[in-house]
Amino acid sequence: AQRVTQPEKLLSVFKGAPVELKCNYSYSGSPELFWYVQYSRQRLQLLLRHISRESIKGFTADLNKGETSFHLKKPFAQEEDSAMYYCALVPNTGFQKLVFGTGTRLLVSP
Amino acid sequence: DTEVTQTPKHLVMGMTNKKSLKCEQHMGHRAMYWYKQKAKKPPELMFVYSYEKLSINESVPSRFSPECPNSSLLNLHLHALQPEDSALYLCASSQDPSEGAGNEQFFGPGTRLTVL
Repeated sequence: AQRVTQPEKLLSVFKGAPVELKCNYSYSGSPELFWYVQYSRQRLQLLLRHISRESIKGFTADLNKGETSFHLKKPFAQEEDSAMYYCALVPNTGFQKLVFGTGTRLLVSP
Repeated sequence: DTEVTQTPKHLVMGMTNKKSLKCEQHMGHRAMYWYKQKAKKPPELMFVYSYEKLSINESVPSRFSPECPNSSLLNLHLHALQPEDSALYLCASSQDPSEGAGNEQFFGPGTRLTVL
């Protein structure tokens, strides 16, 4: 069975500090990994996907198949980064459900 | 139009009522999804429609009845709900991954349902 683990419920940092939101997954095949973000009073939206290997809003995430991890990183956090972050995977190609982690709330203080 | 829209935004219903949630997208996506999200929890999949056919039902109770009248519309019919069904109901859509689009899902803002 597929499983996504986000060990931190809450991550609180000061503005300008580095941020790393951890995500580990368990799946025997080759999943597609995503980070979704939910800002206050806004819809859930895609932040990053591992296949595109891009940086969005200063965030990056690298898929480590050996460690089955997909940690989200940003070198200098901003107050507007405060939100709920969900790591998710799709186990196969085709129309499949997103398997979400439990989420990490990031709080960036001034 | 590059958004998924959902109506109504809020819905309060009694346990004997029948109501429907609506979802619409005009991005040409061929899959549409219903998720349920309880407070401070991640979304949980309920149903998937691909090419207007039900392809996944995550053992959802029959008091929830999905319908996909066409490729742009998705409904969720509600009947005889329980207070524990109160939640945010999210609709999402995605392109056909076989067309090289990947598996990104686009979410609507949700309908906040309260069952009294």
